[in-house]
Amino acid sequence: EVQLVESGGGLVQPGGSLRLSCAASGFTFSSYAMSWVRQAPGKGLEWVSAISGSGGSTYYADSVKGRFTISRDNSKNTLYLQMNSLRAEDTAVYYCAKVWLTGDDAFDIWGQGTMVTVSS
Amino acid sequence: DIQMTQSPSSVSASVGDRVTITCRASQGISSWLAWYQQKPGKAPKLLIYAASSLQSGVPSRFSGSGSGTDFTLTISSLQPEDFATYYCQQANSFPLTFGQGTKVEIK
Repeated sequence: EVQLVESGGGLVQPGGSLRLSCAASGFTFSSYAMSWVRQAPGKGLEWVSAISGSGGSTYYADSVKGRFTISRDNSKNTLYLQMNSLRAEDTAVYYCAKVWLTGDDAFDIWGQGTMVTVSS
Repeated sequence: DIQMTQSPSSVSASVGDRVTITCRASQGISSWLAWYQQKPGKAPKLLIYAASSLQSGVPSRFSGSGSGTDFTLTISSLQPEDFATYYCQQANSFPLTFGQGTKVEIK
């Protein structure tokens, strides 16, 4: 079964750091680009960051550029999101998502999400 | 950045109704458009990719059309399980962007 399972969310103070993980199974992880997408409480979907299958190319939303770092370990089938200098507006459910086909960044597989709350 | 604008923001409909949701891109995106369905507390589900291609396992009552800047998601005969929020997403260029969502509610 193709599956993505996120972990690492929680409560963190403004200015703090958190690292999210996304464990992949059921497909050849290194063959697919991956993204993080977040959803603030009661709000819509916001794309956060993407990484190519090899890890050689990364992309970020302006709202997180310079604060968040996406990475992957293809030997462990795991995607990461290092989040630094967290702000209240980063509070959201964070989903990892698999691109369905190289060259078409639509997401066919999503994790269940992990909640990040930034509050003092 | 490419802005995606959906309309309407919400629609009230009955079981069996035909429902149409539109999505407009601020610049041309060819056919690089996806549609998702999201139910409360759940992750989004891919319905349509490449503007009009039905994702495997998605009922045929869902269809997508359009290219360039104007796109449409149609549900031909609304079923009880279709009450949800629908999002479009452009897959043309980074940063990837989503529409604000359309909530389909029971009339």
